[in-house]
Amino acid sequence: NAGVTQTPKFRILKIGQSMTLQCTQDMNHNYMYWYRQDPGMGLKLIYYSVGAGITDKGEVPNGYNVSRSTTEDFPLRLELAAPSQTSVYFCASSPLFKNEQFFGPGTRLTVL
Amino acid sequence: AQTVTQSQPEMSVQEAETVTLSCTYDTSENNYYLFWYKQPPSRQMILVIRQEAYKQQNATENRFSVNFQKAAKSFSLKISDSQLGDTAMYFCAFNNNDMRFGAGTRLTVKP
Repeated sequence: NAGVTQTPKFRILKIGQSMTLQCTQDMNHNYMYWYRQDPGMGLKLIYYSVGAGITDKGEVPNGYNVSRSTTEDFPLRLELAAPSQTSVYFCASSPLFKNEQFFGPGTRLTVL
Repeated sequence: AQTVTQSQPEMSVQEAETVTLSCTYDTSENNYYLFWYKQPPSRQMILVIRQEAYKQQNATENRFSVNFQKAAKSFSLKISDSQLGDTAMYFCAFNNNDMRFGAGTRLTVKP
């Protein structure tokens, strides 16, 4: 099993550009999550999904969108990149809602 | 809102010694899970240990153990026989309906 994979590993965006961060898991987990980690801080939940076709906002959803068309994939979309979105983004999945989460390797995004 | 507080931004310990990392949380819920995650310089988030709130027995995982005090809302991590590879950021996390993380403790194990 590859677990949770994320692409790209690094990306630099200009203000106003858009991009999609990809996340795929091969563990057949129903629950998937997107977090951001700002320097020196813990992770904050952006969006989560309890299954294909169902998504919900987390603690910091503004400026982001998600979709969940399959169990495996949970892409995160930034429509109009802003410097405040410079961060490391982690995707995670879990078999049960309150259970431990399995994390991808992260994507470092810089918006200039 | 649930909050998680790690009051020690940085700690250091000599190799082979024992160190305890502190974590407190605030919730009105009764059924939840607590976790400690390790984040080495590689940035990968690695689960160290988990504790279900309904279990009174403290979780242990090899050299890692927790002191879970539900009434005090405290969940500390003890690392015994510290190894150089334990050097990392450690995050305490609380999970009821969504996972909340503390700000982390940077642990350095010195040779």
